[in-house]
Amino acid sequence: QAGLTQPPSMSKGLRQTATLTCTGSSNNVGIEGAAWLQQHQGHPPKVLSYRNNNRPSGISERISTSKSGNTASLTITGLQPEDEADYYCSTWDRSISAWVFGGGTKLTVL
Amino acid sequence: EVQLVESGGDLVQPGRSLRLSCTASGFNFGDSAISWFRQAPGKGLEWLTFIRRKTNGGTTEYAASARGRFIISRDDSRRIAYLQMNSLKIEDTAVYYCAREVPGTGGDFDDWGQGTLVTVSS
Repeated sequence: QAGLTQPPSMSKGLRQTATLTCTGSSNNVGIEGAAWLQQHQGHPPKVLSYRNNNRPSGISERISTSKSGNTASLTITGLQPEDEADYYCSTWDRSISAWVFGGGTKLTVL
Repeated sequence: EVQLVESGGDLVQPGRSLRLSCTASGFNFGDSAISWFRQAPGKGLEWLTFIRRKTNGGTTEYAASARGRFIISRDDSRRIAYLQMNSLKIEDTAVYYCAREVPGTGGDFDDWGQGTLVTVSS
């Protein structure tokens, strides 16, 4: 069972901007922020952003993240066909001493 | 190049045990915490456990779903982390991934391996 809440799906057009959200609580996202992972079908997850909003080396500048209260956001600009994937948020929950994930958002690029 | 390779996945009967391995290369293994995750078919990601580096006590944390049945350990000399899984249940069927703690991130995990498939079925 997911500890964070993400919308199950989103559809956007080519070259548009997608903003995905991840809602938690003051015990997790509110104090820790959220990491974001991308997963293409049949492949392992790839980290797009760490909880401190830094991108790993090699991650596109079209990716940005932010946080407001207990909700974290991932924004992808200039959508490309290869951005079609599942996106997960994740963070440490201090109340249960556990890493928690959102259920994932399936992004479709039309 | 940082690389983590999981192995040991298999088809096992309910109630049996299985040990997975996570073999590391390309970084100082002893300086990194290692975590295990899993993904059931068609489902999302789930964290299971992590083990801190020896200089942080080598202590462990477990998700509620793993506590009591799964045990994480590490052999720094061989650059391998293990996940011992006991009393396996059908719902443990999943791809199991390991990842390493990334320096400077305050504990975030990255560099996921390709995963190893565990199927629990009679």
